[in-house]
Amino acid sequence: GAGVSQSPSNKVTEKGKDVELRCDPISGHTALYWYRQSLGQGLEFLIYFQGNSAPDKSGLPSDRFSAERTGGSVSTLTIQRTQQEDSAVYLCASSLILAGVNEQFFGPGTRLTVL
Amino acid sequence: GDSVTQMEGPVTLSEEAFLTINCTYTATGYPSLFWYVQYPGEGLQLLLKATKADDKGSNKGFEATYRKETTSFHLEKGSVQVSDSAVYFCALRSSGAGSYQLTFGKGTKLSVIP
Repeated sequence: GAGVSQSPSNKVTEKGKDVELRCDPISGHTALYWYRQSLGQGLEFLIYFQGNSAPDKSGLPSDRFSAERTGGSVSTLTIQRTQQEDSAVYLCASSLILAGVNEQFFGPGTRLTVL
Repeated sequence: GDSVTQMEGPVTLSEEAFLTINCTYTATGYPSLFWYVQYPGEGLQLLLKATKADDKGSNKGFEATYRKETTSFHLEKGSVQVSDSAVYFCALRSSGAGSYQLTFGKGTKLSVIP
């Protein structure tokens, strides 16, 4: 079937605006992950979901960041009052289950530019 | 906390040269280790993995051996091709309870010239 998809592929926004990034995981994958890839920080983990539940939100960089997942499928990462340091590529990944050594399949990412 | 250190790039090699990209890690317990590859314009793809000490992961001519005594997982390929040009990321997944995310190194950009 199809891989992980993300939309939009590119997003340019003005400082202070809110943005929503969407992730469609591979069908049947119960675990979903968000990462951020930036020049200065490399690849950072943000949050994971098991089903619709996110037990640990400590990876989110600030309270301007939030994420939800509905129906055990689509997930949305929301950044409120964007700042220039939020500019990065936001990657979503999914795996069949959370536990064990399950391969995480990555989407192509959303490139966010905050002006 | 967990961390991964990999050699800084960029690395430029001629076709058919031998490749080594060093990766060392810091983690408690027995993490699982991975190499991911990102080809130009594409998403991250799993290249190979190893889940316990002395395991060797291999794929597409690439190999890496999980060395617990040196906390290393170096990536090697005997003869690189132009098509291997990409960014390579070493990563680990902790064995600790509640640790499901991957911790990545900063990536090494490889360019292979004909």
